[in-house]
Amino acid sequence: AQKVTQAQTEISVVEKEDVTLDCVYETRDTTYYLFWYKQPPSGELVFLIRRNSFDEQNEISGRYSWNFQKSTSSFNFTITASQVVDSAVYFCALSEADSGTYKYIFGTGTRLKVLA
Amino acid sequence: EAGVAQSPRYKIIEKRQSVAFWCNPISGHATLYWYQQILGQGPKLLIQFQNNGVVDDSQLPKDRFSAERLKGVDSTLKIQPAKLEDSAVYLCASSLISGGGYSNEQYFGPGTRLTVT
Repeated sequence: AQKVTQAQTEISVVEKEDVTLDCVYETRDTTYYLFWYKQPPSGELVFLIRRNSFDEQNEISGRYSWNFQKSTSSFNFTITASQVVDSAVYFCALSEADSGTYKYIFGTGTRLKVLA
Repeated sequence: EAGVAQSPRYKIIEKRQSVAFWCNPISGHATLYWYQQILGQGPKLLIQFQNNGVVDDSQLPKDRFSAERLKGVDSTLKIQPAKLEDSAVYLCASSLISGGGYSNEQYFGPGTRLTVT
């Protein structure tokens, strides 16, 4: 069955600290996609990254980096030198094939508070 | 490039009333999604369209919710009659395509915050 677990409900850090948001997934498929989205206080979800199941290469984009490990079914997200503007709810999502299309499921989200 | 448009942004209704939400996806996006996001939770998929056909409505409460996608572009989501537990943010999203071995990222609209009293 398809499932995404974000065990950290809320994390608070002080500005400039590094923080890692955890995401663990379950899927029966060998082909699937993983995503991270950011939901700032304004409410609109913003796409951050997509990874397919065949690409385990880690990715870095500025202060953001992602660690994909199929062996542990995890797709963790690290923010380096956090800033107040990083305060938001972050969602991990899984998309797997079902009857010719892809079905999405979101985790419950991790609320990140970055304190000045 | 224009983003996903939704209206209204806010709606307050009494229980047992009906309400409709409208969504205009990004031009050229074949896949359209409606989500319900209850406060403190992740988005829950209600219905997914590929062009103007439904590909997944397994979590749509069909006794009270309905949705259509006109000519494969705009979409409306209706609730009739509304219940207190329908209070939530209703999010519309679109993506280039979802299928054929490929799953694109979704682009979300600002959402409609519904309060049922």
